[in-house]
Amino acid sequence: TQLLEQSPQFLSIQEGENLTVYCNSSSVFSSLQWYRQEPGEGPVLLVTVVTGGEVKKLKRLTFQFGDARKDSSLHITAAQPGDTGLYLCAGAKNTGNQFYFGTGTSLTVIP
Amino acid sequence: DAGVIQSPRHEVTEMGQEVTLRCKPISGHNSLFWYRQTMMRGLELLIYFNNNVPIDDSGMPEDRFSAKMPNASFSTLKIQPSEPRDSAVYFCASSPRDIRLQFSGRINYNEQFFGPGTRLTVL
Repeated sequence: TQLLEQSPQFLSIQEGENLTVYCNSSSVFSSLQWYRQEPGEGPVLLVTVVTGGEVKKLKRLTFQFGDARKDSSLHITAAQPGDTGLYLCAGAKNTGNQFYFGTGTSLTVIP
Repeated sequence: DAGVIQSPRHEVTEMGQEVTLRCKPISGHNSLFWYRQTMMRGLELLIYFNNNVPIDDSGMPEDRFSAKMPNASFSTLKIQPSEPRDSAVYFCASSPRDIRLQFSGRINYNEQFFGPGTRLTVL
């Protein structure tokens, strides 16, 4: 059983469209990170959110941490082919030293 | 900086053989992580070292798996004997400090820098 469920699992959209990826859990996390992974490479950190309700923006990407710190979302505006990849959320609890990774969302942006 | 270096990039072996995966973390990083990624189970933490000492190995699937970090610049993950269900991409990641550094009452979560992975196929 995965601690963090992501939806959708797969997403294929046209260039210029907007999209939202969700990361949900029944557990409370003290911190949540979003990574992007391209084929043949390891995940690369995009952002870390630590406060319930926190919103962070990274160019066309907007990340939000839920008020109860159980969920998060990633919104991409005007998607580009370069956004194609596997998006992973990862949550850390107050105890322990590890991040629990979500199931992943595979995004394909068609030119 | 060359980033996290893993070798080999690809490994194909037969069931029952010993497999050794290698990792060189980023110089100066003192935390090292081994992950396994499959379509079915996603990215799973196997073991975590801090200052060369194993801190949490609860993710190691069974006794066939072992990991060592003899010094700050090198780690190995060994599977003996290997089985087809071990087929996966194995990632090594390093972090500048303890992943959960508490300072003045605030918790700081550090970035993990991932290597390119080793794709293991056990026939």
